[in-house]
Amino acid sequence: GAGVSQSPSNKVTEKGKDVELRCDPISGHTALYWYRQSLGQGLEFLIYFQGNSAPDKSGLPSDRFSAERTGGSVSTLTIQRTQQEDSAVYLCASSFPGQGDEKLFFGSGTQLSVL
Amino acid sequence: SQQGEEDPQALSIQEGENATMNCSYKTSINNLQWYRQNSGRGLVHLILIRSNEREKHSGRLRVTLDTSKKSSSLLITASRAADTASYFCATDTGRRALTFGSGTRLQVQP
Repeated sequence: GAGVSQSPSNKVTEKGKDVELRCDPISGHTALYWYRQSLGQGLEFLIYFQGNSAPDKSGLPSDRFSAERTGGSVSTLTIQRTQQEDSAVYLCASSFPGQGDEKLFFGSGTQLSVL
Repeated sequence: SQQGEEDPQALSIQEGENATMNCSYKTSINNLQWYRQNSGRGLVHLILIRSNEREKHSGRLRVTLDTSKKSSSLLITASRAADTASYFCATDTGRRALTFGSGTRLQVQP
């Protein structure tokens, strides 16, 4: 696609439910990143994929969070047993490493609200 | 704490004035990047400066980098109402994903 696509754009869920957030990166971008942004705050790194493997999962806040990437393309971030503190905008970005200085291309994010 | 910290947290200026935002970081970097975010959603890359560069220009944007002080500044000249947004610095240390600062919220009054 022309840009990074995230779905859904908004998700309201009840505490304790599981949610899946999807990211479709720019075609050909091998690197994919998930960040989280709480209201009025900076971006918190969650996980990074190079191809289908995740060399850096160090930002995942708990074992309720997991992510996968298939076919070197689409990625899914899953949050199990959601808590109110999980409410945030989840941002996905992609890049094409190997060009030297990488810049990230971001999607519009998923606004997650846990009631 | 964050690798990058922006200063000020918020800035309000009149259209036509210049806006300066600062970023400080802690560890050595490969490059430093500035991004803009409108309405709390996706970020857009503005400009990148490498660790061996001291100044870079792009249109109305001017970025400086002082690696000895581990700081950078973003200057927006002749600001417009459309420049109203949050601005973030991000550092590339070569070890993991970009690390973003907490951002500066810029309000440009028409």
